[in-house]
Amino acid sequence: AQTVTQSQPEMSVQEAETVTLSCTYDTSESNYYLFWYKQPPSRQMILVIRQEAYKQQNATENRFSVNFQKAAKSFSLKISDSQLGDTAMYFCAFMKPFTSGTYKYIFGTGTRLKVLA
Amino acid sequence: DAGVTQSPTHLIKTRGQQVTLRCSPKSGHDTVSWYQQALGQGPQFIFQYYEEEERQRGNFPDRFSGHQFPNYSSELNVNALLLGDSALYLCASSYTTGNPEAFFGQGTRLTVV
Repeated sequence: AQTVTQSQPEMSVQEAETVTLSCTYDTSESNYYLFWYKQPPSRQMILVIRQEAYKQQNATENRFSVNFQKAAKSFSLKISDSQLGDTAMYFCAFMKPFTSGTYKYIFGTGTRLKVLA
Repeated sequence: DAGVTQSPTHLIKTRGQQVTLRCSPKSGHDTVSWYQQALGQGPQFIFQYYEEEERQRGNFPDRFSGHQFPNYSSELNVNALLLGDSALYLCASSYTTGNPEAFFGQGTRLTVV
């Protein structure tokens, strides 16, 4: 069974600094997707960044980038130039494909990030 | 585009009661999935609906059931509520094929007392 592990329950970072959130996963699948979602107090899950397993190049989205190490099954998120609005719960998620062609997400337990002014 | 909308936003029920939560998917999406997020935890997959049928199910008891309507909207029903059913219930919609990314609603906070 697939599992997703986030070993940092809480982290804090000074505004404008860089922070890295860790995620490891376990799967026997060869084709899958990985995601980082942000969940602010409003509760809405917001997609931060996505990585296709077949792509060797690490995904980037503005201030957000990932370090995807497929062999090590590691998928860390780097946030550069941290902003107060980045304060939220961050969830790492593995997307498991079904044979029907649909998918489900398997989430980690989350990392609570606080950006300090 | 309204995105994924869920109702109600908050709900308080008594043990043993039944509850129905509702979800309207993002425009164009035909697949709806439901997740349960207990306090301090990541969301757990409950089940997924496509073409008005339950296609996949997570490790949840039969007290959890659902429905999908012809307009792709969906309901989650929970019978014989337990205190442990208190959680945030998230609905996610997506396309069946192609872009696998799901869009989430703001959730329904269910409190069982």
